[in-house]
Amino acid sequence: EPEVTQTPSHQVTQMGQEVILRCVPISNHLYFYWYRQILGQKVEFLVSFYNNEISEKSEIFDDQFSVERPDGSNFTLKIRSTKLEDSAMYFCASSQSGQPQHFGDGTRLSIL
Amino acid sequence: LAKTTQPISMDSYEGQEVNITCSHNNIATNDYITWYQQFPSQGPRFIIQGYKTKVTNEVASLFIPADRKSSTLSLPRVSLSDTAVYYCLVGVGPEAAGNKLTFGGGTRVLVKP
Repeated sequence: EPEVTQTPSHQVTQMGQEVILRCVPISNHLYFYWYRQILGQKVEFLVSFYNNEISEKSEIFDDQFSVERPDGSNFTLKIRSTKLEDSAMYFCASSQSGQPQHFGDGTRLSIL
Repeated sequence: LAKTTQPISMDSYEGQEVNITCSHNNIATNDYITWYQQFPSQGPRFIIQGYKTKVTNEVASLFIPADRKSSTLSLPRVSLSDTAVYYCLVGVGPEAAGNKLTFGGGTRVLVKP
């Protein structure tokens, strides 16, 4: 069964540094998403992306965050200047149309 | 967005049937009910979706009464590997493209030997 893959599985970064989280969505999917889950908390929506532009973003997705689909297969989340509170699991998801969304196994981001 | 309420946790034993009920009193006419499962250190995984009555797949059954104000996810004959958090989500259906998912706290199911 096709999967959403995310790399790296764990990223450790100094506060203030830029970080790029990478995702390869399922190949025939058209809609892409990023979610995050702070340890012990709910899964929170960050952003959705379709047709090379952001469809919707949450309040969390401020100017420090950006997304890109650079080459037709990868989907990236960039955090420009990381803060301690950015430490979380970041999940990428994709869908062909609406539901269901297929999630990757996440990147654990640790900000020191 | 319809709010959902589900138990925080449930314990069960291998081979038993587990039923998780979710309340969604403010469900809208166009809303579907969707359940996801999340294992530790993994992303959520779609289990089942329904609009009314009963839906069954190879993993679970979803029972939705006529008033649609609640739903019950039924996991038959659970095994240790079914230990996970189960999320009930209410919102857009399969044809609504690109809409975000809103997760609640979920129900933590622990299956004991």
